[in-house]
Amino acid sequence: DAGITQSPRHKVTETGTPVTLRCHQTENHRYMYWYRQDPGHGLRLIHYSYGVKDTDKGEVSDGYSVSRSKTEDFLLTLESATSSQTSVYFCAISESMGLAGDTQYFGPGTRLTVL
Amino acid sequence: AQRVTQPEKLLSVFKGAPVELKCNYSYSGSPELFWYVQYSRQRLQLLLRHISRESIKGFTADLNKGETSFHLKKPFAQEEDSAMYYCALSTSYGKLTFGQGTILTVHP
Repeated sequence: DAGITQSPRHKVTETGTPVTLRCHQTENHRYMYWYRQDPGHGLRLIHYSYGVKDTDKGEVSDGYSVSRSKTEDFLLTLESATSSQTSVYFCAISESMGLAGDTQYFGPGTRLTVL
Repeated sequence: AQRVTQPEKLLSVFKGAPVELKCNYSYSGSPELFWYVQYSRQRLQLLLRHISRESIKGFTADLNKGETSFHLKKPFAQEEDSAMYYCALSTSYGKLTFGQGTILTVHP
């Protein structure tokens, strides 16, 4: 497995509380991504980063924010968690991002339950 | 906008039988297609990509631009092939769009 860890691995929280998920990589890859995985929807991109302090929105970014202050860390924050954000969250990394068909390497996932 | 469709949520075959997981895409540009696999209690990982034209674990996939398809095939399924399979499309901006996934079960 590529050097990608996610923390926490499991979390249960209540509606309205803020939640931060962390993705940490030891590969020094430039690009990092946050996805959510839901039955019937596959994986959907939430936000991605193309460098330190450089981030952009993905397909389902509403209700989420991200930050990347160091190459190795990419944080996903749910400002005020809602039940619709109950999901499994995956972080991924890649060396580059382009037409070369670059591989993305995935973390183990974080299972988040919002009650 | 790009879209990936995997029409089968579930697919069951017996060991030794051929298997085909379907994937159709819509994208106006030049696509890069991938198959990712998630085995039980393991991370999502790349199985193969059309640009490399490799055969991984006996699986192959051919990009058919006329039919906008990238079906995954294996002539003789094995029990260890049981997993969730995702087809994914990379656009000119490099972001991946995934299909809904197909759970393959290979029975002994």
